[in-house]
Amino acid sequence: DQQVKQNSPSLSVQEGRISILNCDYTNSMFDYFLWYKKYPAEGPTFLISISSIKDKNEDGRFTVFLNKSAKHLSLHIVPSQPGDSAVYFCAAISNTGKLIFGQGTTLQVKP
Amino acid sequence: DAGVIQSPRHEVTEMGQEVTLRCKPISGHNSLFWYRQTMMRGLELLIYFNNNVPIDDSGMPEDRFSAKMPNASFSTLKIQPSEPRDSAVYFCASSVQSGEGNEQFFGPGTRLTVL
Repeated sequence: DQQVKQNSPSLSVQEGRISILNCDYTNSMFDYFLWYKKYPAEGPTFLISISSIKDKNEDGRFTVFLNKSAKHLSLHIVPSQPGDSAVYFCAAISNTGKLIFGQGTTLQVKP
Repeated sequence: DAGVIQSPRHEVTEMGQEVTLRCKPISGHNSLFWYRQTMMRGLELLIYFNNNVPIDDSGMPEDRFSAKMPNASFSTLKIQPSEPRDSAVYFCASSVQSGEGNEQFFGPGTRLTVL
């Protein structure tokens, strides 16, 4: 029973274009969401987060959008750079404080 | 700050052997988490501790898995006996406290291969 789902295992975009990574969740009680980025042979690192009281949070080239009615969030990276190539995990914080991760999406940004 | 330290980085063992993974959280962090990453299920939380006390171990797959945190600076995850399906990357993470908005810092992981 996957409560946080990333249905696209991979995404490939050209350098300079926009990358859009999607995430869906099933539990309407989730009220805080995070995106983590993971390079090979390293642990995930925190990228950006959003509270359910907001529908958008921006940090430089990274913007996260939250659509609570659709139980959907997305991460936009613009412009994409080759160094952004990594696995991106969406996560939600449960009411017990646990982080529940999606399966991850591998982003490849081509020069 | 050295970050979260995990050892070993790689472990290859034979089925039936005992495996012990180690983690040193960031100093001052009072929550520690053990995760397992597989291709099929992504990152799964196995167990987490607050102030050295296990809070939720519902993610521990079987009795073969056990975790301890004898003090604030050290935790172990043990698998006994190990099986090939335990092969995965195991991450340890720590945070200042568990709860909303508290960023978790991950270690580099231990890649476990059980033959």
